[in-house]
Amino acid sequence: DGGITQSPKYLFRKEGQNVTLSCEQNLNHDAMYWYRQDPGQGLRLIYYSQIVNDFQKGDIAEGYSVSREKKESFPLTVTSAQKNPTAFYLCASSDLLGGWETQYFGPGTRLLVL
Amino acid sequence: QKEVEQNSGPLSVPEGAIASLNCTYSDRGSQSFFWYRQYSGKSPELIMSIYSNGDKEDGRFTAQLNKASQYVSLLIRDSQPSDSATYLCAFHSGGGADGLTFGKGTHLIIQP
Repeated sequence: DGGITQSPKYLFRKEGQNVTLSCEQNLNHDAMYWYRQDPGQGLRLIYYSQIVNDFQKGDIAEGYSVSREKKESFPLTVTSAQKNPTAFYLCASSDLLGGWETQYFGPGTRLLVL
Repeated sequence: QKEVEQNSGPLSVPEGAIASLNCTYSDRGSQSFFWYRQYSGKSPELIMSIYSNGDKEDGRFTAQLNKASQYVSLLIRDSQPSDSATYLCAFHSGGGADGLTFGKGTHLIIQP
């Protein structure tokens, strides 16, 4: 059963704490993405990765970090430098055969600050 | 600055009627255009993509693209209550895997 999984579904962060959001895909897609969605807003790109061991900053990368050690996995760390982390975080993937721009989303992680 | 403009709504349409959703974009270099449907609390689901000027039909959905006017629309025929959702317009420019630019979405309500 192919798809994108994200965990946890809900995540609570304390002040000054780093937290890591998981994203895994078994679609054999090369490219993966992280977006952030605030209430009533569209999605904004945080980071993206086209191949393993390479990633690029998106429009709002400050306060976030990523790694891409495996094709299937693209975890996102929300650092303490991100002062307003409360949002819905969405991971997506795409591949060259389907067209890089055709992106499919995981179910999302909702991050809340305690 | 790449921008996408959508009317946030809510747009209220009677069941069985045609719902018309509109989107304008700022980047003339945009190549690909997408409509995603997002139910409350859920992730976006791709429903239509369009790359060339004109119309593209898929079941009850028709996407329309006019690159000269920088305008893309989505028509939903025979609207059903299950179509009630937020519809996000997105575009991609360039040839690489560098992410999509999204609008804020239009909240559509289908009235039974």
